[in-house]
Amino acid sequence: DGGITQSPKYLFRKEGQNVTLSCEQNLNHDAMYWYRQDPGQGLRLIYYSQIVNDFQKGDIAEGYSVSREKKESFPLTVTSAQKNPTAFYLCASTQGGRGYYFGPGTRLTVL
Amino acid sequence: AQSVTQLGSHVSVSEGALVLLRCNYSSSVPPYLFWYVQYPNQGLQLLLKYTSAATLVKGINGFEAEFKKSETSFHLTKPSAHMSDAAEYFCAVSLSGGSNYKLTFGKGTLLTVNP
Repeated sequence: DGGITQSPKYLFRKEGQNVTLSCEQNLNHDAMYWYRQDPGQGLRLIYYSQIVNDFQKGDIAEGYSVSREKKESFPLTVTSAQKNPTAFYLCASTQGGRGYYFGPGTRLTVL
Repeated sequence: AQSVTQLGSHVSVSEGALVLLRCNYSSSVPPYLFWYVQYPNQGLQLLLKYTSAATLVKGINGFEAEFKKSETSFHLTKPSAHMSDAAEYFCAVSLSGGSNYKLTFGKGTLLTVNP
């Protein structure tokens, strides 16, 4: 079955550490996205990529970095520069914007 | 640019009552519109979408929404609420014909269903 996988489901990080969240899709979609969800804030766009080896900042990119070396993979690194990284992170993909597929999410907690 | 406003961060209904969740959008070009549902600690599930075909869109679990261009609205309705409908609902917009297909979300509406 085609879909998006995210790992891990839960992630704990100590202050000052970088962590990388995985996102993989087998839908052959060109575009991929990372969103951050906080209670009462909805989903806010962190980074997106429309094609391999290219990506753009979203609305809240500070403290995050991404790479897009393969079409099916779009990992997100939460760096130590992110002041408040505790949140639920969702990855999504689309081909042409008429339908978006979302992964199950990763909940990141800073200890 | 596009934006979404969901009126009411929390809606409470009785089981069997009408569900109405409000969504207004702003878009510089004809939009694509979506409603998603989210259960605790899970990802988003698509309920329905409008992509410039019929203005009355029927989705899963008995939900439907009507695209009203004159009112820039895309309200979600269900005639009779069920306990299992209790969840958070998100309205989202993207631009048809856009080059980046960014999906912009509202802040969500938490639906509570009372027995």
